[in-house]
Amino acid sequence: EAGVAQSPRYKIIEKRQSVAFWCNPISGHATLYWYQQILGQGPKLLIQFQNNGVVDDSQLPKDRFSAERLKGVDSTLKIQPAKLEDSAVYLCASRRAGSPTGELFFGEGSRLTVL
Amino acid sequence: DAKTTQPPSMDCAEGRAANLPCNHSTISGNEYVYWYRQIHSQGPQYIIHGLKNNETNEMASLIITEDRKSSTLILPHATLRDTAVYYCIVRSGNTGFQKLVFGTGTRLLVSP
Repeated sequence: EAGVAQSPRYKIIEKRQSVAFWCNPISGHATLYWYQQILGQGPKLLIQFQNNGVVDDSQLPKDRFSAERLKGVDSTLKIQPAKLEDSAVYLCASRRAGSPTGELFFGEGSRLTVL
Repeated sequence: DAKTTQPPSMDCAEGRAANLPCNHSTISGNEYVYWYRQIHSQGPQYIIHGLKNNETNEMASLIITEDRKSSTLILPHATLRDTAVYYCIVRSGNTGFQKLVFGTGTRLLVSP
């Protein structure tokens, strides 16, 4: 079974530029999450999708961050315009509906550096 | 979800048992204890979870105190590859829209 795929793995941009990250969850996983992990901290949930609907986006800075999962499969997270404090690893995770463990499967993340 | 408290770092000798404590004194009756770990430059990985009974799988054992206010993750024979940050998370048993709220975890260093 293929894992959660993310791209790009690394991105360097200047402040005020835009960037987009892509996530392909494990096949059949209805729930998809985007987390932000700043160096030295634990991951922080940005947004959670159930199929193509948003379940929780309370921690998403909506003035600059947006995310979509149009067909309930792949997802894109966009930042526009980027700030220095957005430098972090952006982790995507997915979960199978009805999983007995509720286990989340994470991708390797996309590391963003904003200069 | 209840808050957890973990030591920031721990050391363990290779081949010995690593016992990672977690305090969750405000846990409520329907909240589960989950453990994940994050190896450097990778995403977090599920280890184990439990409600009130002790649990064991191929990776680790989870011991939950009778009052459920604390728990211990046990790696019975730690290897160098177990060096990672270990997160203890308390999560509601509602399976509808589960999410994980991570703290800062315990950084475990396994040395030869």
